[in-house]
Amino acid sequence: AQSVTQLGSHVSVSEGALVLLRCNYSSSVPPYLFWYVQYPNQGLQLLLKYTTGATLVKGINGFEAEFKKSETSFHLTKPSAHMSDAAEYFCAVIITGGGNKLTFGTGTQLKVEL
Amino acid sequence: GAVVSQHPSRVICKSGTSVKIECRSLDFQATTMFWYRQFPKQSLMLMATSNEGSKATYEQGVEKDKFLINHASLTLSTLTVTSAHPEDSSFYICSAPLLAGYTGELFFGEGSRLTVL
Repeated sequence: AQSVTQLGSHVSVSEGALVLLRCNYSSSVPPYLFWYVQYPNQGLQLLLKYTTGATLVKGINGFEAEFKKSETSFHLTKPSAHMSDAAEYFCAVIITGGGNKLTFGTGTQLKVEL
Repeated sequence: GAVVSQHPSRVICKSGTSVKIECRSLDFQATTMFWYRQFPKQSLMLMATSNEGSKATYEQGVEKDKFLINHASLTLSTLTVTSAHPEDSSFYICSAPLLAGYTGELFFGEGSRLTVL
């Protein structure tokens, strides 16, 4: 069965610094990979997704992620953090033709400091 | 854009009572909706898949009789927590895929925070 592991339940960066949130997946078949963001007391919002094609995908709010099959990773990055980026970030995976169920990682709480 | 709306956003009830949470797709039809439960500082756990016109599919370990799901129309799914107890207190989130050829991209409701006293 597929799964995702997010390293670091809490990440703290300074405003303007690079944001790097790590996600590794486990899947025996090519996966679809997603990053979702959750602001306090809200539902999740899709940041970006990888299905096929270009391995570097760009999302909303300046975020991007790169699918690296050799490393089974899909890390989320943003060159310059903004205070409004403070939120919970979830990596998720779905295997094609596998019942269409998203499996979420445990989440990473991003804190942005002045 | 597509929007999924949940109601109520917050509900407090006494132990032993039942609570209904509604999930609506506002500008698209959703033959399938997903219900998740999220404990504090934890990830989302899929509870069940709601199917319009047929019975919901529950994940292993989820009590069907306790968490009643009804997908009454192409735009409405409801989750009823029956005989609620304090351990049922949680954040419940529904979601729906926009596309019929679902590829994992979901639109999420705002969530409903249930507190059982």
